[in-house]
Amino acid sequence: DTGVSQDPRHKITKRGQNVTFRCDPISEHNRLYWYRQTLGQGPEFLTYFQNEAQLEKSRLLSDRFSAERPKGSFSTLEIQRTEQGDSAMYLCASSSGTGFAPGELFFGEGSRLTVL
Amino acid sequence: GNSVTQMEGPVTLSEEAFLTINCTYTATGYPSLFWYVQYPGEGLQLLLKATKADDKGSNKGFEATYRKETTSFHLEKGSVQVSDSAVYFCALSDGTAGGGSTLGRLYFGRGTQLTVWP
Repeated sequence: DTGVSQDPRHKITKRGQNVTFRCDPISEHNRLYWYRQTLGQGPEFLTYFQNEAQLEKSRLLSDRFSAERPKGSFSTLEIQRTEQGDSAMYLCASSSGTGFAPGELFFGEGSRLTVL
Repeated sequence: GNSVTQMEGPVTLSEEAFLTINCTYTATGYPSLFWYVQYPGEGLQLLLKATKADDKGSNKGFEATYRKETTSFHLEKGSVQVSDSAVYFCALSDGTAGGGSTLGRLYFGRGTQLTVWP
């Protein structure tokens, strides 16, 4: 399978703990996005990488959140000192869009976080 | 700013019924418009897209026309099947550089759950 893969698929943690999610995009895609989806809502943009550079962060991404894409391939999203409000599905997507044309985003199946 | 308003669900139809899911948008610049579908247990998949006014996107029997005058991108299918049961998301991307926008960043509606009964 050469799609976007995310790990873990489910994570249950206690409030105050740190969690890390990993995303492996489609190998030739240079753009990588993180989104968050809560129940009954559409996905909301969190952050965007072009190769290894993090080019934009949403206001939703508080100081407790950090994302990296060190070699321009896989990416990690870490949440420190988790809160119950962080419970959501975290979606990763990648794209091979060039220039200013919005390319198709390919989404992974998501990592579901439950904070107790 | 950019936003998408999608008709609320759930929508329940019998097989072979006609489907319309309404979507309207607010955008700066010249957005591209998308419909994504999420089947049970799967990730979001692009269903169709339109990149400029009056374009019609189509795929798997679904269609949507980019209407700039009404800022709409309604999804339609003439005859739904049980296998079309899924959550459908309307989305836009302004796709333009500058002004702090992210290339390819999508703004999603809340999603519409469609259930089709045999």
